[in-house]
Amino acid sequence: EDQVTQSPEALRLQEGESSSLNCSYTVSGLRGLFWYRQDPGKGPEFLFTLYSAGEEKEKERLKATLTKKESFLHITAPKPEDSATYLCAVQASTNAGKSTFGDGTTLTVKP
Amino acid sequence: EPEVTQTPSHQVTQMGQEVILRCVPISNHLYFYWYRQILGQKVEFLVSFYNNEISEKSEIFDDQFSVERPDGSNFTLKIRSTKLEDSAMYFCASSPWGELFFGEGSRLTVL
Repeated sequence: EDQVTQSPEALRLQEGESSSLNCSYTVSGLRGLFWYRQDPGKGPEFLFTLYSAGEEKEKERLKATLTKKESFLHITAPKPEDSATYLCAVQASTNAGKSTFGDGTTLTVKP
Repeated sequence: EPEVTQTPSHQVTQMGQEVILRCVPISNHLYFYWYRQILGQKVEFLVSFYNNEISEKSEIFDDQFSVERPDGSNFTLKIRSTKLEDSAMYFCASSPWGELFFGEGSRLTVL
């Protein structure tokens, strides 16, 4: 069974204080690892797809990296508008696109 | 920018009643999904739909659930006899291949 574990559960940062979120996963053949952002009461918003170990993707202050066992979402010089829950999800190559999600990390950035 | 739209945004129903949640996926996407999120919990896969048929379903998706694509644009989730534990946010998602594009969700409250 595919499993995704995210840490920490919650992270509070000062504006400009860089940090990283972790996503550990086990999957029977990785089709893709995905990062999403979810604001309260809203649907998840797609951020990145990573397909193989060593791959990196960047978007504004966010950078996602992937190893064979985990992924990191690095946040550089965050701003208050980066406050949200960040979700990690995996898809196995053996299924028809089903995504397994982690519990998420709730990031709060204080001005 | 194309988006997934869901209706209703909030529905309150009595236990045992039938509920239909509606979704309009992004028009050129081929894969369609329903996920749900119970308050404070992780996003859970319910069902995937491809080429006008269910491609995978979870243990949650039992006989009280059904999905349909009645025409070229709509995608529906029907819950035949709602239970208290069906109270959740239901998200429709569509995908060109891997990454998911979610709607804003339909909040279902079963009394």
